[in-house]
Amino acid sequence: GNSVTQMEGPVTLSEEAFLTINCTYTATGYPSLFWYVQYPGEGLQLLLKATKADDKGSNKGFEATYRKETTSFHLEKGSVQVSDSAVYFCALLLSGGYQKVTFGIGTKLQVIP
Amino acid sequence: DAEITQSPRHKITETGRQVTLACHQTWNHNNMFWYRQDLGHGLRLIHYSYGVHDTNKGEVSDGYSVSRSNTEDLPLTLESAASSQTSVYFCASSEPGYEQYFGPGTRLTVT
Repeated sequence: GNSVTQMEGPVTLSEEAFLTINCTYTATGYPSLFWYVQYPGEGLQLLLKATKADDKGSNKGFEATYRKETTSFHLEKGSVQVSDSAVYFCALLLSGGYQKVTFGIGTKLQVIP
Repeated sequence: DAEITQSPRHKITETGRQVTLACHQTWNHNNMFWYRQDLGHGLRLIHYSYGVHDTNKGEVSDGYSVSRSNTEDLPLTLESAASSQTSVYFCASSEPGYEQYFGPGTRLTVT
């Protein structure tokens, strides 16, 4: 079946540090890939997405590249801020009739001043 | 602007009572989903709908039901609330093949 693997964390970083959150996936077809962010007390918001191999999604300084050869979609940011503290979810969606999204377990990021 | 809303935002109920959580979206999306979020489990799919009068069970559907009478609404009913159903519930909607948009969540406590 389809699955998404990411570390649960928490990941603790100092402000202005470099961030990487790893995400790997298993899928039977060619999925679209997403990163969602959940701030405390809120719902999930789409952060970025990529729909085909080698696409790079980017938003708010975050980037992720769709790597088909390594089945990965790692999230990176060059310099994190305290306001980036949140839970980050990697997710995949297969095209065609199967329209449910498969989510990773979520990685909690804590950024300290 | 289009949005997805949930009500109530917080609910406390007693074991055995019937509870209905509302979800309303103005995106005009065909697909709607209900998830629960619990520590250590991430998001788990409860029920989903691909259109009016269509409903399907997700991975944790026992004790829950939904009905879809129009495009905008997918209410979630807990037939007889149990303490194991204490959780945060999220509704989401999407167009087929595209990303999901989430509501703000309902925190339900069953005492």
